[in-house]
Amino acid sequence: QQKVQQSPESLTVSEGAMASLNCTFSDGTSNNFRWYRQHSAKGLEVLVSIFSDGEKEEGRFTAHLNRANLHVSLHIREPQPSDSAVYLCAVMRSNYQLIWGSGTKLIIKP
Amino acid sequence: EAAVTQSPRNKVAVTGGKVTLSCNQTNNHNNMYWYRQDTGHGLRLIHYSYGAGSTEKGDIPDGYKASRPSQENFSLILELATPSQTSVYFCASGDGHTQDTQYFGPGTRLLVL
Repeated sequence: QQKVQQSPESLTVSEGAMASLNCTFSDGTSNNFRWYRQHSAKGLEVLVSIFSDGEKEEGRFTAHLNRANLHVSLHIREPQPSDSAVYLCAVMRSNYQLIWGSGTKLIIKP
Repeated sequence: EAAVTQSPRNKVAVTGGKVTLSCNQTNNHNNMYWYRQDTGHGLRLIHYSYGAGSTEKGDIPDGYKASRPSQENFSLILELATPSQTSVYFCASGDGHTQDTQYFGPGTRLLVL
């Protein structure tokens, strides 16, 4: 059964420095990965979807997928205080069901 | 304009009472989902639906029922609420295509006393 783990649990980064978040999964046959963002107790906003090994960029957000290493990462370029939120990784299994990590709390210091 | 809405946004219920959480989407998506979010567990899938009249069990369906009377509406029903069901509940819709993206509502905060 697919398991998804995120690291670190919490990350503080200075404004303008690159922020990097990690997600590992247990089943390398998946080919559908998402990064979402959640501002405190609000709904989730999809940031990047990636479906093949390599890189996918959406504005300041870039996802890197390496299925052989069971790893997908998110890099945020030039983060701003408004990017402070919980970032969630999700892996899709059959029947469109998403399996979620428990999140990384990102704090951007001005 | 919000495409996935939930009501109520906050709810206090008593143990043993019946609770209905409602979700409406204007995306014209076939798929809809109910999740709960608890600290340390991330989001967990309770029930989902592929279209009007269909409901399927997710990973943690015990104690919950779902109803999909139309393309737009998907309800989550707690027939006998328990304190362990205190949580934040999120509804989502997805188009059901291969690269299905799920779009979320703002959440309902439920407290069962």
